[in-house]
Amino acid sequence: NAGVTQTPKFRVLKTGQSMTLLCAQDMNHEYMYWYRQDPGMGLRLIHYSVGEGTTAKGEVPDGYNVSRLKKQNFLLGLESAAPSQTSVYFCASSEGQHSGNTIYFGEGSWLTVV
Amino acid sequence: GQNIDQPTEMTATEGAIVQINCTYQTSGFNGLFWYQQHAGEAPTFLSYNVLDGLEEKGRFSSFLSRSKGYSYLLLKELQMKDSASYLCAVRDYSGAGSYQLTFGKGTKLSVIP
Repeated sequence: NAGVTQTPKFRVLKTGQSMTLLCAQDMNHEYMYWYRQDPGMGLRLIHYSVGEGTTAKGEVPDGYNVSRLKKQNFLLGLESAAPSQTSVYFCASSEGQHSGNTIYFGEGSWLTVV
Repeated sequence: GQNIDQPTEMTATEGAIVQINCTYQTSGFNGLFWYQQHAGEAPTFLSYNVLDGLEEKGRFSSFLSRSKGYSYLLLKELQMKDSASYLCAVRDYSGAGSYQLTFGKGTKLSVIP
């Protein structure tokens, strides 16, 4: 079991460029999440999905789009990257949202926007 | 949403016991999680509490008091490898059958010889 896999692990973008972060999970989880983590801010939820074909906004969704075309994949897109989007991005998944359902994280993607 | 507070940094000695506190305010509490995160790595699950009381897992224990909006993580027999950030996270009901997990900013624990 690979668990939650994110690609790429590192990326440098110029302001205004676009890119997509890919997340795949092999645990047959219904729920998937994208978080960003910044120094002094903790983990903040960008978008999440409660099942194939569904997406919802989290705490900090502006500047990002997501898609969940297949149950195992959750894509995070930056249409026009800004320096404020320099961060570490974590994808995560869980079986559900009921009590005790643990969230499992990918290894993170380090994104720098210059 | 909710406010989650935990100390920013703590230092403890190898072999000792340390307690990391977490306080929260929420309207639809549905569980509290503790995660460990080593520098440059992903958070990993440590413990889960939904009822009041103490949950023990080897050297790690977590306590919850829902009436006080308070939890702590207790680490015994500290080892150097326990140097990491410890994240408190609260799940609450956000409406329309959906729950959200919100993380505190984390407590960076340094274990010294």
